[in-house]
Amino acid sequence: NAGVMQNPRHLVRRRGQEARLRCSPVKGHSHVYWYRQLPEEGLKFMVYLQKENIIDESGMPKERFSAEFPKEGPSILRIQQVVRGDSAAYFCASSPLARAGLNEKLFFGSGTQLSVL
Amino acid sequence: GENVEQHPSTLSVQEGDSAVIKCTYSDSASNYFPWYKQELGKGPQLIIDIRSNVGEKKDQRIAVTLNKTAKHFSLHITETQPEDSAVYFCAASIQAGTALIFGKGTTLSVSS
Repeated sequence: NAGVMQNPRHLVRRRGQEARLRCSPVKGHSHVYWYRQLPEEGLKFMVYLQKENIIDESGMPKERFSAEFPKEGPSILRIQQVVRGDSAAYFCASSPLARAGLNEKLFFGSGTQLSVL
Repeated sequence: GENVEQHPSTLSVQEGDSAVIKCTYSDSASNYFPWYKQELGKGPQLIIDIRSNVGEKKDQRIAVTLNKTAKHFSLHITETQPEDSAVYFCAASIQAGTALIFGKGTTLSVSS
């Protein structure tokens, strides 16, 4: 069974360009989460999606950032007009459908390291 | 919202010693507390988790304790080995279908 697949592993963009990060969840998982990690800091929650729905985007900046998880295909985190402060490791995680009242564990990908020049 | 504090930020031990990492959380409604291990260049991997209806859980050399009254939980690693060296994150969530909120991590170094 393939785990969570993220690509690219490394992405270099110049200021003002767009960054598109892709995440394919574990087969059968319907929940996807995006986290951002900066050096010396923990994993900051950005957005939680189910198929075709954004459930919680409270951690995502209101401008320039967007996320989707279409019916078919991977989840995409899009950052428009990148700035140097967007440089970070972005991790995607997936989990299966939550059973009533129980949290399911997250399976993380290896991340995408975004560098903005 | 939930806030998770984690201490210490770095921890150095000799091989064979025990290591303890502590976390506190703010929202008394939180009921799920996992611990993740992140090795260099990799994504976090779940190593153990505990739910609020349990006070302690063990898995070989790893144990987690939960004190709901004080709103803190701890990770205990016994007989540490060099391969235990990594960054460890605690996390908490309120209910199924909500995001995990992570602590800032503890860098554990085990020297032989």
